[in-house]
Amino acid sequence: DTAVSQTPKYLVTQMGNDKSIKCEQNLGHDTMYWYKQDSKKFLKIMFSYNNKELIINETVPNRFSPKSPDKAHLNLHINSLELGDSAVYFCASSQADRAGNTEAFFGQGTRLTVV
Amino acid sequence: GQSLEQPSEVTAVEGAIVQINCTYQTSGFYGLSWYQQHDGGAPTFLSYNALDGLEETGRFSSFLSRSDSYGYLLLQELQMKDSASYFCASNSGGYQKVTFGTGTKLQVIP
Repeated sequence: DTAVSQTPKYLVTQMGNDKSIKCEQNLGHDTMYWYKQDSKKFLKIMFSYNNKELIINETVPNRFSPKSPDKAHLNLHINSLELGDSAVYFCASSQADRAGNTEAFFGQGTRLTVV
Repeated sequence: GQSLEQPSEVTAVEGAIVQINCTYQTSGFYGLSWYQQHDGGAPTFLSYNALDGLEETGRFSSFLSRSDSYGYLLLQELQMKDSASYFCASNSGGYQKVTFGTGTKLQVIP
């Protein structure tokens, strides 16, 4: 069983379109994230949700709207796609232990290409 | 804000030892993690340091010095399959924020 699964794996779309990426985790974790990894491999946190509530929004344009229908799912909807949105988007989940270890489990990534 | 700096690239010989450094400036810091990412793959967790000192997990060890805001990942007996990008990451914000460093691309050569 895949712990964190996201779909689709590849997404090619035209500028101006709206697209969604879905993510599901079966680990029972309380916290889920979206990360963006650009061509230089920088992994930048976009959003963090804890038990369906938005905890962190890292100055992401409001064209990006996350939605968490339950704590096992965190979807990402992107409106009016721009060339600069091309990147790999990773979903992740975690559950902190008492030592503060927040081991994050990542999905396989969605490679988004805007043309 | 949060920032974690790493060298961009490191090259080492198969069988050797390599150290990848990480310096950080993080508010509400809880601990430092390390992740490995192969090309085309997802990051995978390697280790976590909450306290100062060295943590050993097989061929990999990780070190943390809170007073110096510094940590490193030590890879011993390097294998070709260790060629990958390595990221340090800080746990902060009530455990709910995992911020990644700039990443180090390790190339292991024969």
